Amino acid sequence: GAGVSQSPSNKVTEKGKDVELRCDPISGHTALYWYRQSLGQGLEFLIYFQGNSAPDKSGLPSDRFSAERTGGSVSTLTIQRTQQEDSAVYLCASSFRVGYTFGSGTRLTVV
Amino acid sequence: EDQVTQSPEALRLQEGESSSLNCSYTVSGLRGLFWYRQDPGKGPEFLFTLYSAGEEKEKERLKATLTKKESFLHITAPKPEDSATYLCAVQADWGSGGGADGLTFGKGTHLIIQP
Repeated sequence: GAGVSQSPSNKVTEKGKDVELRCDPISGHTALYWYRQSLGQGLEFLIYFQGNSAPDKSGLPSDRFSAERTGGSVSTLTIQRTQQEDSAVYLCASSFRVGYTFGSGTRLTVV
Repeated sequence: EDQVTQSPEALRLQEGESSSLNCSYTVSGLRGLFWYRQDPGKGPEFLFTLYSAGEEKEKERLKATLTKKESFLHITAPKPEDSATYLCAVQADWGSGGGADGLTFGKGTHLIIQP
């Protein structure tokens, strides 16, 4: 596609439920990143994929967070047993060499 | 640990009133410094990448500069459509021990241009 596509754009879930967030990067972009943006905070790095492998998972805040990427393309970020502090905008970005292209994000609200 | 501090947090200008946004950074080895623009409800939009001290890049009314400790985003004769949050980020050099391959972002400067 022409840009990075994320779905859903908005998600409201009950505390304790699992959620899956999807990212469809720009075709041909080998690198894919997930970030989290909380109100009043900067963007927080979560995880980086090069192809299907994740050489850097250092930003995942807890073991409730996991991510995978298949076919060097679509990535899914899964949050298990959601907590209220997980409420944020989750942004995905893809890159080929330099300069990330971000999607519009998924706004997650845990109630 | 890589750190990025942006100032001011918010800036209100009149249309045509030029100003500068500051991004101070510490990184063990700089691979690149990035400027992004973010509009409400949207993801950040890439503006510039700077790689070494002394480098400058321009795009329309924006000009980004870089020293070894900070970067400036100069806005000349801004228009209301330049209103947005401007984000600065750094990426550590390979092998610098900086840790994550991702970008470290500042909290941004919220810029409002009044007509």
